[in-house]
Amino acid sequence: DIQMTQSPSSVSASVGDRVTITCRASQGISSWLAWYQQKPGKAPKLLIYAASSLQGGVPSRFSGSGSGTDFTLTISSLQPEDFATYFCQQANSFPLTFGGGTKVEIK
Amino acid sequence: QVQLVQSGAEVKQPGASVKVSCKTSGYTFTSYGVAWVRQAPGKGLEWMGWISGYNGNTNYAQRVQGRVTMTTDTSTSTAYMELRTLTSDDTAVYYCARRWGNNWFDSWGQGTLVTVSS
Repeated sequence: DIQMTQSPSSVSASVGDRVTITCRASQGISSWLAWYQQKPGKAPKLLIYAASSLQGGVPSRFSGSGSGTDFTLTISSLQPEDFATYFCQQANSFPLTFGGGTKVEIK
Repeated sequence: QVQLVQSGAEVKQPGASVKVSCKTSGYTFTSYGVAWVRQAPGKGLEWMGWISGYNGNTNYAQRVQGRVTMTTDTSTSTAYMELRTLTSDDTAVYYCARRWGNNWFDSWGQGTLVTVSS
């Protein structure tokens, strides 16, 4: 199975800050990576797919980059509604696997 | 719009089975697959498998293989996930999600809490 490792596990930031979350795959997955946002008590929401493609309706302050084993999710200017937990997911091979999550908290 | 609506919370005893439904609307059911993802309390996301809405083909995660069965009813655009021989480790929120493109999940159900307790 491909292991997905996210860092940091949590980050404290203020509104307007630039936040970067990283995700590392245990083996190369080309660009087969997605990012999801999850708020407490809610289902995950797809933000980014194919490493850098923005899902429809997602604000442009979210961006993704990377290929192979190293990927990043960047929020260019953190907004109040962005405080949530973020997960990466590899779609290169079965079983599909997720990272452990990064909680973005209010500083 | 695309919607996935799941059945309600369940409480089961160890050793029992649970069957969760996921009724879809707003898209052509047979053009997409449905995946099942679970989340234990305070934990991350675990992919359990998926089923094709077109032909019913399935792919299950090794961890639940042999205990899980995913089915569909195309007449009602509903997907089902049955998990047998439950243990406390199966206590989790179970989500269905529409499989889109290359195994991305672009629409999700609201989740179903399954509690396994004696």
